[in-house]
Amino acid sequence: DSGVTQTPKHLITATGQRVTLRCSPRSGDLSVYWYQQSLDQGLQFLIQYYNGEERAKGNILERFSAQQFPDLHSELNLSSLELGDSALYFCASKFREGHNEQFFGPGTRLTVL
Amino acid sequence: TQLLEQSPQFLSIQEGENLTVYCNSSSVFSSLQWYRQEPGEGPVLLVTVVTGGEVKKLKRLTFQFGDARKDSSLHITAAQPGDTGLYLCAGHTSGTYKYIFGTGTRLKVLA
Repeated sequence: DSGVTQTPKHLITATGQRVTLRCSPRSGDLSVYWYQQSLDQGLQFLIQYYNGEERAKGNILERFSAQQFPDLHSELNLSSLELGDSALYFCASKFREGHNEQFFGPGTRLTVL
Repeated sequence: TQLLEQSPQFLSIQEGENLTVYCNSSSVFSSLQWYRQEPGEGPVLLVTVVTGGEVKKLKRLTFQFGDARKDSSLHITAAQPGDTGLYLCAGHTSGTYKYIFGTGTRLKVLA
């Protein structure tokens, strides 16, 4: 158990819908990263937050957005969903910059029908 | 642009054999991490290498960071079925907050 929690574990929805994925980092960790992993694909970095502020952006679509709240949990919002958005979405946390190890949550499997 | 290339992409070997996985880049990394991921689960950190030329051992796994900090290798001795999984290298290039994952090596160890 990494100490990072993600909810829900599974999500099935229809095209055009909007969903919110939630992540709680390890206690004391300030950074949260979001990743997308499609079937048999590597991990694609989406976005990073550090202590409530956006720190870095990767290949995140405009239909996707995220935020980190004062209690450091984070939410990833996916809207106007398409079939191709079906994937595993992972969040990871780490203490602060200079500590490079990330600890991953169990992921949310999103299926768009 | 994929900054971290792993090879081989797939590897299927018999129990007891040795293997090496490579992680290569043209960029310098401040450190590199190796993770193992099992189907449907998040990657689990195995090791971090920081210093050029550094070698770290974790039981039957040996990790090495290249002298120029542009590449790394993972060597497994006497592989076991429990070593089966997706092996990923990852790291920050110097001066960036983006965390880059390698293309992955999918290992299957047959009993």
